Amino acid sequence: DARVTQTPRHKVTEMGQEVTMRCQPILGHNTVFWYRQTMMQGLELLAYFRNRAPLDDSGMPKDRFSAEMPDATLATLKIQPSEPRDSAVYFCASGAQGGTAEAFFGQGTRLTVV
Amino acid sequence: AQKVTQAQTEISVVEKEDVTLDCVYETRDTTYYLFWYKQPPSGELVFLIRRNSFDEQNEISGRYSWNFQKSTSSFNFTITASQVVDSAVYFCALSEALPGNQFYFGTGTSLTVIP
Repeated sequence: DARVTQTPRHKVTEMGQEVTMRCQPILGHNTVFWYRQTMMQGLELLAYFRNRAPLDDSGMPKDRFSAEMPDATLATLKIQPSEPRDSAVYFCASGAQGGTAEAFFGQGTRLTVV
Repeated sequence: AQKVTQAQTEISVVEKEDVTLDCVYETRDTTYYLFWYKQPPSGELVFLIRRNSFDEQNEISGRYSWNFQKSTSSFNFTITASQVVDSAVYFCALSEALPGNQFYFGTGTSLTVIP
């Protein structure tokens, strides 16, 4: 049963600490998305990769957020330093054929910054 | 400007009633794709359907049906004979062929089915 795997599922950290979230996309998918979900903003696209190359990260605060794909089986989203306003659920999704095909979402990482 | 509008923030229905979730989109592309996702209380986002802009045929899958009308830029979702398990937040999304194929999500409609 192919699925997108995200770790950790939950993370509580203190303000100022570094947070790294990991995502294993579905094997064979060439597109990876990072979304952030909050009550106020809904689902926001943070970054988007195709064939491991970043295509769009305009939704990401560049001073503290970074997203990478070290290889085809791993995508990372890092926040350094973290702030309370970063508290949200972060979703990774993968898809084939870019945005023309459906994206499959992981279960999300619930981040709480205190 | 919002590319996907889900005007209904919350809907409550009694079990076995039919319910329609509205989705209106905006795009200048002639090639685009529309999607519906379900987010149950457990939190994951579950893909329900994909439709491309060249296929206006309505689709039915069990109790679920989708009505795509390009003339009104709408892609509405109907649940027939609703069940408690249908309680979730439902998101409509749009993907354009250019420039980057990213997904634009609506703000979601929270559906509560009352037993």
